Amino acid sequence: AQSVTQLDSQVPVFEEAPVELRCNYSSSVSVYLFWYVQYPNQGLQLLLKYLSGSTLVESINGFEAEFNKSQTSFHLRKPSVHISDTAEYFCAVSPTTSGTYKYIFGTGTRLKVLA
Amino acid sequence: NAGVTQTPKFRVLKTGQSMTLLCAQDMNHEYMYWYRQDPGMGLRLIHYSVGEGTTAKGEVPDGYNVSRLKKQNFLLGLESAAPSQTSVYFCASSFLNYEQYFGPGTRLTVT
Repeated sequence: AQSVTQLDSQVPVFEEAPVELRCNYSSSVSVYLFWYVQYPNQGLQLLLKYLSGSTLVESINGFEAEFNKSQTSFHLRKPSVHISDTAEYFCAVSPTTSGTYKYIFGTGTRLKVLA
Repeated sequence: NAGVTQTPKFRVLKTGQSMTLLCAQDMNHEYMYWYRQDPGMGLRLIHYSVGEGTTAKGEVPDGYNVSRLKKQNFLLGLESAAPSQTSVYFCASSFLNYEQYFGPGTRLTVT
């Protein structure tokens, strides 16, 4: 069985401050890991993903996440946030074994960037 | 390349009416999904499909039916709408278990 836990439902942070959004997962099989972002009144869009290789992955707009297998975590970080980063962020996992569907989303973390 | 499109964008139904939501993708993805999103509930999977002609139940399938007659289309039907089905519905598609591509959503209100 798989599960994803996003411990913080809301995170307020001042502009230009750093932020970390936490994601922990549980799985009995190897997984791919994803972060999605949802801006108001839009669908989700992929922010970054870990499939294999380097455990540190980056997005084009300054976010990064590190896959920590021992702690089963995939926390999302940004050293300096902007007002435009205000959105809801979802962590997700899926099994690496093809033919086995079990894509799990976390419940989301609402990031509010304050001026 | 339009990605994932959903029709309609908004709809208001009376209790007991029926409707079909259409999802189309042009990325040749095998896997397609229907989710509903409600405040404080995150995304909940309604039904999914791993290929043309196949469908499976997700987390909250009651009151909904789906069909995948063509690889690029995934239809979600409500046979007898209820106020509890007021929600925002998202369709998504993926190549196997990799990242999902989402449509813009359909906002449905059942009165």
